[in-house]
Amino acid sequence: AQSVTQLDSHVSVSEGTPVLLRCNYSSSYSPSLFWYVQHPNKGLQLLLKYTSAATLVKGINGFEAEFKKSETSFHLTKPSAHMSDAAEYFCVVNPFSGGYNKLIFGAGTRLAVHP
Amino acid sequence: DTAVSQTPKYLVTQMGNDKSIKCEQNLGHDTMYWYKQDSKKFLKIMFSYNNKELIINETVPNRFSPKSPDKAHLNLHINSLELGDSAVYFCASSQDTLETQYFGPGTRLLVL
Repeated sequence: AQSVTQLDSHVSVSEGTPVLLRCNYSSSYSPSLFWYVQHPNKGLQLLLKYTSAATLVKGINGFEAEFKKSETSFHLTKPSAHMSDAAEYFCVVNPFSGGYNKLIFGAGTRLAVHP
Repeated sequence: DTAVSQTPKYLVTQMGNDKSIKCEQNLGHDTMYWYKQDSKKFLKIMFSYNNKELIINETVPNRFSPKSPDKAHLNLHINSLELGDSAVYFCASSQDTLETQYFGPGTRLLVL
């Protein structure tokens, strides 16, 4: 069965310090992986996606993620947090099971950024 | 330019009522989706349409009926609303059945 596990429900960092949001997945196929961000009372915005090209994926707003097949991980990082990064982050897998685009969402990680 | 839009943004209604949520995308995509986000922020797919044809229909009460009048629109009608239907409903679209999905701003439904 396909699944996504976000290892931390809450992460708190100080402004200017690095961000690490952890994600592990399981998939029977070669999946596509995504990170989406949801700011309070807003919709979901695509941060970045991995689709079997380069394993280090760069996204918007300085975020990047590294696909590690051996560890089945797709952790999201940013060198220096900004106050505007405070939001809910979702790791998402598309297992392409059955040939359809059925995204499977992790439970989310709430990122708090302190001055 | 709004890529994926939903109306209404907020919907407060009584139990037992029937309501509809509308979604429109101007991206030229041929596949659209409805997701439900519960109070714990968990997101789950409900339906997907490709070229107006239903292709994904998850285990959803039959009180929920999607309808796609054309490729750019996917509406969600809910009959006999229940308290447990309170959630945020997100519409999304993609270029085809395997491409990246782009989400709308969500419709916050509260059933009293």
